[in-house]
Amino acid sequence: DGGITQSPKYLFRKEGQNVTLSCEQNLNHDAMYWYRQDPGQGLRLIYYSQIVNDFQKGDIAEGYSVSREKKESFPLTVTSAQKNPTAFYLCASSGGLRETQYFGPGTRLLVL
Amino acid sequence: AQSVTQPDIHITVSEGASLELRCNYSYGATPYLFWYVQSPGQGLQLLLKYFSGDTLVQGIKGFEAEFKRSQSSFNLRKPSVHWSDAAEYFCAVGGPNYGGSQGNLIFGKGTKLSVKP
Repeated sequence: DGGITQSPKYLFRKEGQNVTLSCEQNLNHDAMYWYRQDPGQGLRLIYYSQIVNDFQKGDIAEGYSVSREKKESFPLTVTSAQKNPTAFYLCASSGGLRETQYFGPGTRLLVL
Repeated sequence: AQSVTQPDIHITVSEGASLELRCNYSYGATPYLFWYVQSPGQGLQLLLKYFSGDTLVQGIKGFEAEFKRSQSSFNLRKPSVHWSDAAEYFCAVGGPNYGGSQGNLIFGKGTKLSVKP
């Protein structure tokens, strides 16, 4: 079945630690996205990528980094510079920037 | 700036009753509009979308939405709610230059739906 997978489901970060969230899709989609969701808030865009080896900052990119070395993969690193990382992180993909976005199951990041 | 407002944070309806979830947007051009549903701890599932054409859009699970340009609204409706519809619902609009230089969606803050037996 085609879809988007995110791992791990839960992730714990220690003070000063960088952590990486995985997102993989087998939908053959060109565009991929990372969103952050906080309780009572909508989703906010962190980064997005239209094609391999290219990505753009979203509204809240500070403290995060991404890479897009393969079409299928778009990992997100939450760096120690992100002072409030506790949130639910959602990855999405679409056939292009004007196409419908489909979402993965999410990763919940908690701080120890 | 573009924005999406979902005025109702939490709605409770009885099973079998009709449902309308409100969504208002602020956008200069013809918008791309979406409704997504999210169960607790899960990702978002697309219910329906409006890009152009017929302003009444049919979606999955018996949902429909109507685009009203004059009211800047895209309300979601269902004639008879089932207990399994209890979830959080998000309205979204394609942001500036959607499909051009940017691909971001602007989301409302969501409406949580509870269903009484």
